[in-house]
Amino acid sequence: DAKTTQPNSMESNEEEPVHLPCNHSTISGTDYIHWYRQLPSQGPEYVIHGLTSNVNNRMASLAIAEDRKSSTLILHRATLRDAAVYYCILRPPTGYGQNFVFGPGTRLSVLP
Amino acid sequence: NAGVTQTPKFQVLKTGQSMTLQCAQDMNHEYMSWYRQDPGMGLRLIHYSVGAGITDQGEVPNGYNVSRSTTEDFPLRLLSAAPSQTSVYFCASNKGQGPSTGELFFGEGSRLTVL
Repeated sequence: DAKTTQPNSMESNEEEPVHLPCNHSTISGTDYIHWYRQLPSQGPEYVIHGLTSNVNNRMASLAIAEDRKSSTLILHRATLRDAAVYYCILRPPTGYGQNFVFGPGTRLSVLP
Repeated sequence: NAGVTQTPKFQVLKTGQSMTLQCAQDMNHEYMSWYRQDPGMGLRLIHYSVGAGITDQGEVPNGYNVSRSTTEDFPLRLLSAAPSQTSVYFCASNKGQGPSTGELFFGEGSRLTVL
């Protein structure tokens, strides 16, 4: 499975935008880019996913590089509740099994 | 909406004991899976199921058994607990494989300590 690389940790101030990077240089042409986050003492929750075009939803935006070798999750205004571990995951369009590979992720701290 | 429900939330076992972690989902999802998460690490897939009666191994299956007799339930059995199985266990479900149905829904986790 293609791997992703994320910074171990990041810090942000409350109400400021946050850009969480993810490198996936070995991504295949059909892999989807998924983002999940895990709040303290909870299971991961889905944030957003995309293939080639930038995506927006109520939680965040996903910016995908033109060559698809990297992507950035954008939180437009960080809140204290956004403090979590963020996982960037690649998923082929078919099949299951080990398609969701959760690495260590990026621990985001939000300062008041 | 209940979503994915895991029980128990906490459990302490002695080495060699057996137990079952329960997982139930009420979303009529075909796919269910079990992950374990060790401190400071991501999640690793233990076993998964693509429908009632169908299960398969993930990345770290040794020491665990699963079965899927109904769409709703996917229990994880520890046959003979070992300290290396001390971890937080997450059950997840998803509707299908495609990009519009592949979103994973996780339970709140079961924290297991093996002494």
